[in-house]
Amino acid sequence: AQSVSQHNHHVILSEAASLELGCNYSYGGTVNLFWYVQYPGQHLQLLLKYFSGDPLVKGIKGFEAEFIKSKFSFNLRKPSVQWSDTAEYFCAVNVNSGYSTLTFGKGTMLLVSP
Amino acid sequence: EAGVTQFPSHSVIEKGQTVTLRCDPISGHDNLYWYRRVMGKEIKFLLHFVKESKQDESGMPNNRFLAERTGGTYSTLKVQPAELEDSGVYFCASSPGFLDQETQYFGPGTRLLVL
Repeated sequence: AQSVSQHNHHVILSEAASLELGCNYSYGGTVNLFWYVQYPGQHLQLLLKYFSGDPLVKGIKGFEAEFIKSKFSFNLRKPSVQWSDTAEYFCAVNVNSGYSTLTFGKGTMLLVSP
Repeated sequence: EAGVTQFPSHSVIEKGQTVTLRCDPISGHDNLYWYRRVMGKEIKFLLHFVKESKQDESGMPNNRFLAERTGGTYSTLKVQPAELEDSGVYFCASSPGFLDQETQYFGPGTRLLVL
């Protein structure tokens, strides 16, 4: 079975700081990778996803993530965070084989101070 | 297009009572998933419907949980009798069809507290 590890449970940054949230997964086969975000009071929504091709994926709101297969990692980055990026961020994977459910990390709560 | 909706948004019940959660997927989506997040833990898969059939229910904790999807539309998740450890946020998600690269769209969740 696959598993996902998110390195930081809480991150506090000032506006304009750069962000990198770590995500590692364990699974020997081909996976699809996702970052979801949950803003306060809102539902989970997709930030970006990687299925194949260019390992550098760009998502909404200036976020990007890089898939490094040799490191089983899919870290999320943003060069300059805003107060509105305050949210909880979830890394998730599913196995690239037919129906496949998502396996999530524990989430990282990001607080951006103005 | 309406998103995934869930009802109720919050539920507080006593141990031993019954609670039924409802999920309305995006119209036309064949796949419907239930997930749960217990406080401090990761979001975990419970089960997956394809239309009205249970495709995978390997994540259901025990036989106190019963999920149905009438006519392949909305789904209900009933907990009977509820225990303290059932407290958490129950998420529903849907996706269109049979593609392993599909995005799952999530509802806002139902926050269940069992006292």
